[in-house]
Parts: sequence; C-alpha cells; structure tokens
Amino acid sequence: DAKTTQPNSMESNEEEPVHLPCNHSTISGTDYIHWYRQLPSQGPEYVIHGLTSNVNNRMASLAIAEDRKSSTLILHRATLRDAAVYYCIPSDEGGSEKLVFGKGTKLTVNP
Amino acid sequence: GAVVSQHPSWVICKSGTSVKIECRSLDFQATTMFWYRQFPKQSLMLMATSNEGSKATYEQGVEKDKFLINHASLTLSTLTVTSAHPEDSSFYICSAGHPKDRGQETQYFGPGTRLLVL
Repeated sequence: DAKTTQPNSMESNEEEPVHLPCNHSTISGTDYIHWYRQLPSQGPEYVIHGLTSNVNNRMASLAIAEDRKSSTLILHRATLRDAAVYYCIPSDEGGSEKLVFGKGTKLTVNP
Repeated sequence: GAVVSQHPSWVICKSGTSVKIECRSLDFQATTMFWYRQFPKQSLMLMATSNEGSKATYEQGVEKDKFLINHASLTLSTLTVTSAHPEDSSFYICSAGHPKDRGQETQYFGPGTRLLVL
C-alpha cells in the first residue's frame, strides 16, 4: 500500500478556496488517487478520484502532479458543511479493493 | 450516488451478549463489502473484506471467531460481534464496492453503527 502524508489539520474561512495537499511518493503506476471525506459521526463520503489528469466534479477539483507523487484537493468555495476529515487514498481498484485510511486532514471552516 | 444503509445506527448492550449489524446496498449489487472499525479520534481501520458467497478475509489481528461476517446476498452483509466486551465499543462502518470499471468510483459507505458495551 502506498504511504500518504497529509497535514494533520487546516483552517479556512467560509466562501474561500481551500487547497488540501497529499504526498504519495510511493504510489504505483496503476493506482488511482481517491479522496474521501468524513463528516463528524458519519461514514466516509466519496469526493473525487483521478489517475494522471486533473479532474473536476461538482464537489471539488483534483490537481495531480506530473510525477504523480503528490496531489491537491481543491474546494473552490468552502462552506461550513465542508468541515470534515479529508483522506487521500491511492488505490488500484476503487470499488473492489480495500481502502487503507491514513490519519487525514481535519478541515475547520470558520464562518 | 449509490446508497448503503446500516442497521441499527446505534446499540447499547451488556457485556457478554452478541450484537448483529446489518449493511445493505440499497440500489446496487455489491459483490464485495468491507467492514471498518473506528475508535474515537482515530482513523478507520479495516477489519475484513466480505465477498458474496464465500468466507470473509480478515485483517491481521482481527479475530474471525469474534467478529462473524456473513455475506449471503449481493445486497446484504452482516457483522456479528460475539460475546461483546467494553473494549469492543466503537463505531463500525461498512462499505460496498460499486461494480464499475476498473479504478472508477468507488466504495460507498454506510452511515455507521455506534456500539456501546456496558
């Protein structure tokens, strides 16, 4: 399993962009980079995933470094509902392969 | 997105009793389901991988005779905590693998079951 490094915590103000970094220098060539988040007292929620190219969806954007050793999850306008722990997880098969959760980044959003 | 439910959402039981937690994929069939455990202020730890119609694969350190997993259908997996003790008190979360193309999204997680053993 590829090892990931994320900041323990980050803070943002409401309606400002947030850039959540993740280092995954030992990622294999076939691993996708998945991001999940976990709101307090809830199960994790899928956010986004990508392989090499940057990806956008309604929740966030994912910027992947050219060497794939790091990635950044971008929340364009943070809301209070985005306060959660964010996990980046390299995984070959996102649906059928076990996900190894690191400690993640706890995001606090200030009103 | 797809929906995974868990029942019950919380349970309190006496030490020595057994507790069954259900995990259902409501709008898709899941060949593979996963069971995680999360202690306060810690990350999720995978307990076992459950495959429909076959025996579950347990992670190292997880007692298979204590945490019984049954995946009898493509929409239901159950976790039974046998002879529960206070140290088994935790947040139990299941997930179901959505059968899409390789590398595509994803696992859908249930809302979790909070177990308190007195």
